[in-house]
Amino acid sequence: DTEVTQTPKHLVMGMTNKKSLKCEQHMGHRAMYWYKQKAKKPPELMFVYSYEKLSINESVPSRFSPECPNSSLLNLHLHALQPEDSALYLCASSQAMTWPGELFFGEGSRLTVL
Amino acid sequence: SQQGEEDPQALSIQEGENATMNCSYKTSINNLQWYRQNSGRGLVHLILIRSNEREKHSGRLRVTLDTSKKSSSLLITASRAADTASYFCATAGAFQGAQKLVFGQGTRLTINP
Repeated sequence: DTEVTQTPKHLVMGMTNKKSLKCEQHMGHRAMYWYKQKAKKPPELMFVYSYEKLSINESVPSRFSPECPNSSLLNLHLHALQPEDSALYLCASSQAMTWPGELFFGEGSRLTVL
Repeated sequence: SQQGEEDPQALSIQEGENATMNCSYKTSINNLQWYRQNSGRGLVHLILIRSNEREKHSGRLRVTLDTSKKSSSLLITASRAADTASYFCATAGAFQGAQKLVFGQGTRLTINP
């Protein structure tokens, strides 16, 4: 199984809502990532978990809250978002955090904030 | 950008022609990777080249790396309509004390039938 599964595929939320994006992989990877991608731009790193511990936090606003319940799951909790947070949110995993090798990406969650 | 630039930003060629995309980066790297992204989809890993390698092949793909010039190129030979996508280089190295994979701006490739 070489899949990274993200749910939901599409999410529309108001600025006062609380929602979560979910990501799951069963490849035994120990590093998991959240990237944010705006239209016609490259993915931008938000968070990295390595062995279920937050390893990198790219100074992302606190309205984004990551969680790694176990080595297979990664969540991104969303609260009080702004319209400019509308983007494609990509989850990825890799075998290890040290000198990242190949990243396996999910298909992304398309978020629209009204 | 934090790391690199790609050129051209957009490339449109006829099916069967070769497509070449270039990537430049700023800091020392451990490896450089190329990814493809179809519109609105996730990224797919194409090829990884380590800093001590100069050239690598995978099917119709050929990647070169020149660490002295801090640049890489991706050549797609005998292009097909299905190759239409955005292509990103990504550099793996230490940024601000952490080991990260950072993506370039990307090249949007269109293959015309």
